[in-house]
Amino acid sequence: QTVVTQEPSLTVSPGGTITLTCASSTGAVTSDYYASWFQQKPGQAPRALIYSANNKHSWTPARFSGSLVGGKAALTLSRVQPEDEADYYCLLYYGGVWVFGGGTKLTVL
Amino acid sequence: QITLRESGPTLVKPTETLTLTCNFSGFSLTTTKMGVGWIRQPPGKALEWLALIYWSDEKRYSPSLRNRLTLTKGTSKNQVVLTLTNMDPMDTATYYCVHDFWDGYDIWGQGIMVTVSS
Repeated sequence: QTVVTQEPSLTVSPGGTITLTCASSTGAVTSDYYASWFQQKPGQAPRALIYSANNKHSWTPARFSGSLVGGKAALTLSRVQPEDEADYYCLLYYGGVWVFGGGTKLTVL
Repeated sequence: QITLRESGPTLVKPTETLTLTCNFSGFSLTTTKMGVGWIRQPPGKALEWLALIYWSDEKRYSPSLRNRLTLTKGTSKNQVVLTLTNMDPMDTATYYCVHDFWDGYDIWGQGIMVTVSS
């Protein structure tokens, strides 16, 4: 059973920078895992932010960026805004199937 | 503009079969590299990837649900149908259909909340 691990919760101050990570139980996350990131606010459907590790959708705010760091996929939020408070999920590709991480609850405080 | 909308029953009984339809617009499932996926989220819990159907009719299923899940293209060219057999209260969740553009998922439907209860 493949497990994708994210930090359960993180807190950041407005205007600050924070990095969320996404690790695979199978080993280092590489570009072959096509890491995606999604933001979900209460009562809403998730919204796609990042695909293929570091590519932004046309609607993704510039302060969001994706990368591969230290064997993990990472989502960095710069100049954090209060409206960035949400749950964030990563999604990894395993040769035909996809697996979500457990999500990170980001609090802006 | 791509849109997707899920429809189907919001209440099913244990052991019944769930059939959900995803009606979409703004793209064609006959176009190379297009796909439609299904993802669910139990109340208060994480997202769970379920299945994906490609333009080629190739299908992929979550290993944990493979024996219960079936994806088909609907009678309308802009439909994808998901069936999940032998429903259990643990299958209570919001079910989303999502557009896949080969490199990932981008546009999500609003979701449909399905409760399994007798």
